Amino acid sequence: EVLLVESGGGLVQPGGSLRLSCTASGFTFSTYWMSWVRQAPGKGLEWVANIKQDGSEKYYVDSVKGRFTISRDNAKNSLYLQMSSLRAEDTAVYYCAVETPVTGWGQGTRVTVSS
Amino acid sequence: QPVLTQSSSASASLGSSVKLTCTLSSGHSSYIIAWHQQQPGKAPRYLMKLEGSGTYNKGSGVPDRFSGSSSGADRYLTISNLQSEDEADYYCETWDINTQVFGGGTKLTVL
Repeated sequence: EVLLVESGGGLVQPGGSLRLSCTASGFTFSTYWMSWVRQAPGKGLEWVANIKQDGSEKYYVDSVKGRFTISRDNAKNSLYLQMSSLRAEDTAVYYCAVETPVTGWGQGTRVTVSS
Repeated sequence: QPVLTQSSSASASLGSSVKLTCTLSSGHSSYIIAWHQQQPGKAPRYLMKLEGSGTYNKGSGVPDRFSGSSSGADRYLTISNLQSEDEADYYCETWDINTQVFGGGTKLTVL
């Protein structure tokens, strides 16, 4: 069974940085595209970024390009999202997700950007 | 890139059936989509992948009450014998080179 566990969320001031992590188990992590998807309070799902199996291709939604970096460590079955220059509008629950389209979801980690 | 359009809300009675619609934008009518369910306060749950032919593959543990079908650019999720736990937001998703796209979601109320 797919298990994805996110961590690293919290309260951060505008302009600050945060690194989210996702630890995967129950499937062969290195053979799947992985994604980050977020959900702002009271809003729908928004794809943020995804990364190819070997990390050679990475794609981002326009609103985070140049500020967020997705990465992975297949030896550790882990996915990361480095977020910098955070804005109030980045406030959301961030989900780690497997495959494209998504076939498995984590439980989410909450990021709040506020002074 | 593709755009997915969903009605914002739907309602149906306990024990009845409901059919939710997700419409692909022009030029993308052949795309495969996925359906996801998000119960209140919970993370999303993958329900199924659905092809333009109407063929669908459900995720592990998804009840038989959930089925998919297609017609042109429309992708449908049908829930039969509605239960109270089916009250949730339902999202469709598709993808293209360098992007993944979600529909705005349909809030299903079970009366």
